[in-house]
Amino acid sequence: NAGVTQTPKFQVLKTGQSMTLQCAQDMNHNSMYWYRQDPGMGLRLIYYSASEGTTDKGEVPNGYNVSRLNKREFSLRLESAAPSQTSVYFCASSEVRFGNTIYFGEGSWLTVV
Amino acid sequence: AQTVTQSQPEMSVQEAETVTLSCTYDTSESDYYLFWYKQPPSRQMILVIRQEAYKQQNATENRFSVNFQKAAKSFSLKISDSQLGDAAMYFCAYSYQGGSEKLVFGKGTKLTVNP
Repeated sequence: NAGVTQTPKFQVLKTGQSMTLQCAQDMNHNSMYWYRQDPGMGLRLIYYSASEGTTDKGEVPNGYNVSRLNKREFSLRLESAAPSQTSVYFCASSEVRFGNTIYFGEGSWLTVV
Repeated sequence: AQTVTQSQPEMSVQEAETVTLSCTYDTSESDYYLFWYKQPPSRQMILVIRQEAYKQQNATENRFSVNFQKAAKSFSLKISDSQLGDAAMYFCAYSYQGGSEKLVFGKGTKLTVNP
């Protein structure tokens, strides 16, 4: 059972480059999330999708776009990467029917130079 | 807006002893969930324990238990018989039941287990 799978695991970008982080879950969850984690901080919500076809901004959405491609997949795009976006990114999913517990992917380490 | 506060940036415990990590939260809602997540050096986020606010009984998972004080908005995690593998960052998190299930996290407590 794969759970939440995100790719790539590691990426180095130059300032101004674009990239997309991919995320897929196989638990049939309706809700999916993108968080970022910076040193000394907890996880902060970038965007979330409560169901297929809907997306909403979280706490720190600036500089990011998302796409809920279908129920399984939720991608995060950096259109023009900045050094401030150097972080560890986590995709996650949850389902109200299963008690709101959120399950996380293994994280993607992104460095912008 | 809901907030979660972990007042102990770092804690240490001797192997086999007991340690308690503190967490307080602020919300005006009556129905919600609280969680403790463990993050080892691998960075994987691992669910340790969860508590539904409507339940008065404190949740327990093996060596992990919580002290949930709803009126005081306090949710502490007790680790009994600490093991070296318990060393990690621990994050307290809140989720509102009525709307989206998105989590609000505290900033974490780094737990060191000394042999």
